[in-house]
Parts: sequence; C-alpha cells; structure tokens
Amino acid sequence: GQNIDQPTEMTATEGAIVQINCTYQTSGFNGLFWYQQHAGEAPTFLSYNVLDGLEEKGRFSSFLSRSKGYSYLLLKELQMKDSASYLCAVRDGDYKLSFGAGTTVTVRA
Amino acid sequence: GAVVSQHPSWVICKSGTSVKIECRSLDFQATTMFWYRQFPKQSLMLMATSNEGSKATYEQGVEKDKFLINHASLTLSTLTVTSAHPEDSSFYICSAFRGNTEAFFGQGTRLTVV
Repeated sequence: GQNIDQPTEMTATEGAIVQINCTYQTSGFNGLFWYQQHAGEAPTFLSYNVLDGLEEKGRFSSFLSRSKGYSYLLLKELQMKDSASYLCAVRDGDYKLSFGAGTTVTVRA
Repeated sequence: GAVVSQHPSWVICKSGTSVKIECRSLDFQATTMFWYRQFPKQSLMLMATSNEGSKATYEQGVEKDKFLINHASLTLSTLTVTSAHPEDSSFYICSAFRGNTEAFFGQGTRLTVV
C-alpha cells in the first residue's frame, strides 16, 4: 500500500511563491502526480514525475527524489485563482493512483 | 474538452434504491478505469479498479455486492450503488489513463441519498 503525507493547509500572498511538500512510502513506484482540485470539482492534472529532478511547466514546477520518497510542487507568482486543494498522488505498478489528503492553499491579496 | 465523461453530475435518490453512474472515455480506449469516492474536505479514496472484460478489483473495505462495477466495453465503465443509504452520500469520481502518463478524471457525481 501507499502512505502519502502532505501538509493540510498553506496560506500565501498574491504574487508570492509556495512550496507544497509530499513524502511517500510505497510498495511499488510508477510515477508521482500532482493535481489541483477546486471545491466540488474533479481534479485536474498539473504534473508528472517518474525520474529524479525538476519538471517545470509555466508557473508550476514539480520535483522528485525517489531515494528520499519526496516530492514538492512549487507555485510561483501566485494568483487568487490558485486557491484550491493540491493533491499528491503516487502510482504503483498496477497503475493504481493513491492520493494524499491534499493541501488547501489559500491565496490572499 | 473533456476526455472522460461521467454521468450524471448529481443525483438524489431515496434510501433503498439503486443508482447507476456511467464513466466514458471519449477519444481513447481504456482497458482499465478507476473509481474513487471523496467525502467533504477529504482526499480521493480508491474504491475499485474496473477491468474491461473481467471482474473489478476492489480495495479493502469496499463491499463488492454494494458497489457493482461493470466494464462492458473499452470506453465505458459503470458503477451501481445498490440499496443506497444516507451514508453512501458522497462525491464519486472515475478516472482513466490515456497512454502512460495522462490520467483524466470524469466530472464527478454528487450522490445524495435521502
């Protein structure tokens, strides 16, 4: 099974940078995903890491260290619309995604 | 546009009745689909893996007879909540992978059992 931990809540100011950490313990690893979810909506895909290192996609970047069981999602130039829940998910060898509890990010003006 | 379509978006049913939720992959074939449940302010909990042409694989603690899954074709999986009770009220979401890395989610179904 998977054990995925991420902080419950984070607050930041518009225009700032926020880093959401995720640690995991898994019996099999086949990639780590980050999703954004607004209340009442389905998750939307943000990033995918399967090799160590940093993946950059616009204002969002994601980092993975497989040996440490660690990832982070970096949100730059925060906008009000970035207020949402961010979910860290680990995929095992059976292609099953297990999700962390999610980190609620609140962006303040 | 959406590549995984889920229907209905919301449903209210009486206690004791059954509800069917459909999940379709629109522009790709999905031999495997996943069903999740999400309670308010909680994360997604995997319920089962739906396999085309074979039985679904259920996660520990999920009742097979209560949550019936049928994956009749490469583009359609259905979840039927049988004899629904108020505690089954939740947000149900399906997902499928297109290729190796693109995981898409349906719009979700808000089920309320009264």
